[in-house]
Amino acid sequence: DAGVIQSPRHEVTEMGQEVTLRCKPISGHNSLFWYRQTMMRGLELLIYFNNNVPIDDSGMPEDRFSAKMPNASFSTLKIQPSEPRDSAVYFCASSPQEGHQPQHFGDGTRLSIL
Amino acid sequence: DAKTTQPPSMDCAEGRAANLPCNHSTISGNEYVYWYRQIHSQGPQYIIHGLKNNETNEMASLIITEDRKSSTLILPHATLRDTAVYYCIVTGFGNEKLTFGTGTRLTIIP
Repeated sequence: DAGVIQSPRHEVTEMGQEVTLRCKPISGHNSLFWYRQTMMRGLELLIYFNNNVPIDDSGMPEDRFSAKMPNASFSTLKIQPSEPRDSAVYFCASSPQEGHQPQHFGDGTRLSIL
Repeated sequence: DAKTTQPPSMDCAEGRAANLPCNHSTISGNEYVYWYRQIHSQGPQYIIHGLKNNETNEMASLIITEDRKSSTLILPHATLRDTAVYYCIVTGFGNEKLTFGTGTRLTIIP
């Protein structure tokens, strides 16, 4: 079975540019999560969706960050404008909504803002 | 969610059992204990979870004390591929949010 698919795997861009990270969850999973990992702050939850609806975005650092889930098989995390402090590894995860089910993580997008 | 405490690092000889402790003294009755691990440059990987009974799967065993204030993850025959950061997470039933701490960096020694 295909796992969570993230693209791109690596992104290097200059500050001020718009960055779009993409995620395809596991088919049939109803919950989708975006995380950010840095050396200083560790692994942090940014936002999560249930049935394509954002449930909790309290981890989104500021208005420059936005996330959408237009359908059950696709989500984006956008940063506009990007800043050097946004450099991190961004992970997407999905899980079935029912009960206590584990989250399945993608391999992440390593983002570098110059 | 209850806070967890883990040792920052541990070593284990290859082929031996690796026992990773976790304290969660403020856990409440409906909170589960989850374990994930993160191998270098990869996304976190689910290992096991439990409420109050001991659990075992193909990857590991989870031993939860009777008072539920601590638990131990056991990797029965550690291999070099088990070198990773291991996270113990406590979360309530119906709460999908996972709060990752700093975890335990486990190094398997050849």
